[in-house]
Amino acid sequence: EVQLVESGGGLVKPGRSLRLSCAASGFTFDNFWMSWVRQAPGKGLEWVGRIKSKTDGETTDYAAPVKGRFTISRDDSKNTLYLQLNSLKTEDTAVYYCTTDLLDYWGQGSLVTVSS
Amino acid sequence: QTVVTQEPSLTVSPGGTVTLTCASSTGAVTSGYHPNWFQQKPGQAPRALIYSTSNKHSWTPARFSGSLLGGKAALTLSGVQPEDEAEYYCLLYYGAARVFGGGTKLTVL
Repeated sequence: EVQLVESGGGLVKPGRSLRLSCAASGFTFDNFWMSWVRQAPGKGLEWVGRIKSKTDGETTDYAAPVKGRFTISRDDSKNTLYLQLNSLKTEDTAVYYCTTDLLDYWGQGSLVTVSS
Repeated sequence: QTVVTQEPSLTVSPGGTVTLTCASSTGAVTSGYHPNWFQQKPGQAPRALIYSTSNKHSWTPARFSGSLLGGKAALTLSGVQPEDEAEYYCLLYYGAARVFGGGTKLTVL
């Protein structure tokens, strides 16, 4: 059974940083491209970015609102996906979901609240 | 900035049929945009329903179908069940980027 479990969310002040983790199991993680999607409270879904597999160069792509501030990385030895959130803004407050790149499997999400 | 537009809300009677649509600000939606559809119920993570226009996941109920209709992507629910009441999101691919629609709140009444 595919499982994606996010962790690392919490309350952080504007301008600060946070790192989210996503532990994957039930599939061959290193073969898969992975993505992050977020959802602000009471709002719709927003694609954040994705990382290709190591075989495909481990390259990344990001949505415009987070480009240059967020970084996606992976550790295939730990079956773990990461999202580094820097220079956080209040508008980054959201539940962050880890997904397979085809968006067929989703974690339960991790809430990040950016507030002073 | 690319905008993907869905109906904000729709209402359907149990047993009825309803079609949700997904439009792109760049023009007609084609299969090259790989339309995806997702269902989200309150307090839950989204669940994938349809990928690449009309392909169903193994868990997608048969009453859900995807298509292209009049330059838009479409999700049709036939024989709607009370448990289909939810928010539905479409997603379009723009090269490496993906953009979600704003969502359609489907009420079964």
